[in-house]
Amino acid sequence: DVKVTQSSRYLVKRTGEKVFLECVQDMDHENMFWYRQDPGLGLRLIYFSYDVKMKEKGDIPEGYSVSREKKERFSLILESASTNQTSMYLCASSWDWSDEQFFGPGTRLTVL
Amino acid sequence: GIQVEQSPPDLILQEGANSTLRCNFSDSVNNLQWFHQNPWGQLINLFYIPSGTKQNGRLSATTVATERYSLLYISSSQTTDSGVYFCAVELRGGADGLTFGKGTHLIIQP
Repeated sequence: DVKVTQSSRYLVKRTGEKVFLECVQDMDHENMFWYRQDPGLGLRLIYFSYDVKMKEKGDIPEGYSVSREKKERFSLILESASTNQTSMYLCASSWDWSDEQFFGPGTRLTVL
Repeated sequence: GIQVEQSPPDLILQEGANSTLRCNFSDSVNNLQWFHQNPWGQLINLFYIPSGTKQNGRLSATTVATERYSLLYISSSQTTDSGVYFCAVELRGGADGLTFGKGTHLIIQP
């Protein structure tokens, strides 16, 4: 079974802090994705990566950056957290483009 | 971008009932997936179904790609089926992740 894990289930941070959300997959997948989910707005793509050290912007990249130094790990970085980044963050991975995506359990981030 | 519409937005049924959830999309797609989001927020993969029909126990799904819709069938509903069901698609020729519908919130009452 594919396993995607995220470093925290719940996280509380203060405005202005630098925040790291970590995602690890164990199936040697090429592609990894970060989404956020908000009531009324649904799930939206922030960034994705199709290879180590490669990244592409999704629909809402502003205020975020990503890092993929190893194939199995994809990090989402909030350089200076703001209250409007309070959200549920979901990581996913897939073997190839248009293949089935598998999601991690999510991280509920609250920025105070 | 591609539009994904799910219907109905909310559905309340008694245990044992059958239901059909619909997903319409506005363009040709390479990938279509159905997910169930559990109360803890985890997205559970139900079907990867860009075309054709699949069945898994009490659940089945059909995608008619030429007519740009997909249906998820749930038979003999159980209370554990409650939650939000999402349809998500990836545009044909695109390489930019999934676009999600707003979901169908299903409540199964005992």
